[in-house]
Amino acid sequence: AQSVTQLDSHVSVSEGTPVLLRCNYSSSYSPSLFWYVQHPNKGLQLLLKYTSAATLVKGINGFEAEFKKSETSFHLTKPSAHMSDAAEYFCVVSGTGTYKYIFGTGTRLKVLA
Amino acid sequence: GAGVSQSPSNKVTEKGKDVELRCDPISGHTALYWYRQSLGQGLEFLIYFQGNSAPDKSGLPSDRFSAERTGGSVSTLTIQRTQQEDSAVYLCASSSLGQGAGETQYFGPGTRLLVL
Repeated sequence: AQSVTQLDSHVSVSEGTPVLLRCNYSSSYSPSLFWYVQHPNKGLQLLLKYTSAATLVKGINGFEAEFKKSETSFHLTKPSAHMSDAAEYFCVVSGTGTYKYIFGTGTRLKVLA
Repeated sequence: GAGVSQSPSNKVTEKGKDVELRCDPISGHTALYWYRQSLGQGLEFLIYFQGNSAPDKSGLPSDRFSAERTGGSVSTLTIQRTQQEDSAVYLCASSSLGQGAGETQYFGPGTRLLVL
C-alpha cells in the first residue's frame, strides 16, 4: 500500500526566511508525488509534481522539491517566505489502478511579519 | 479556460434529508474524482469515473452515498438520509485521461456541507 506522512502539522517562519515542509512516502514501486496548496476557503492548487524524471522539481511561486529515494522523502522548500505563502500544504502520492490521490494530513504554514 | 466548477458552494441541511452535490469537470477530461475533506479524516478518496468504465466506488463510506456521471461529463454525488458526520467539504477533481500515475488532477472549489 502507498502512503505519505507529513512530519509537521504546523510550521511557522518569518517573512524572508527559508521554508521547509517535510514529506516521507511509502511505495512498493517508483511513485508519482505531488505538492498541493490550499488557501483558506479555496480549492487545491498544484505546486509541483515528480514523475520519475529529474529528481529536483521546480514549481510555481518559487517552490521546489527534491525526490530522494534513499530517504523516501519529498520535502518542499522555498528560499524566502512571503506573507502570501501562508496556507495549508498537502503532499500527495498517486495510487495504483485508478490513480486516485492519497493525501498526507497537511502542514499549515504560518508566515510571521 | 474554465476550471472545475461545483455547486452549491455551501449547503446546510437537516439530519435525515437527502442532498445532491454537482460537479462540472474541465471540458474534455475523461476522468473525474470525488474526495471528502473533514476535520477528523483529512482528505479521502470517495469515487472515480473514467470514460465508460465501471466506476471505482471503493472509497464510499456507506450505502447512503452514491454518484453518477451523465454523458461522460457532469457528475452528481448524492447523500441520502444525511448524518452529522457527513458534514465536510466535498471536492471534485478531473484529469484528462485518468490513465497515468503522474497525471495532474484539477480540483474544484468544493461544496461545504453542514448537517444540523
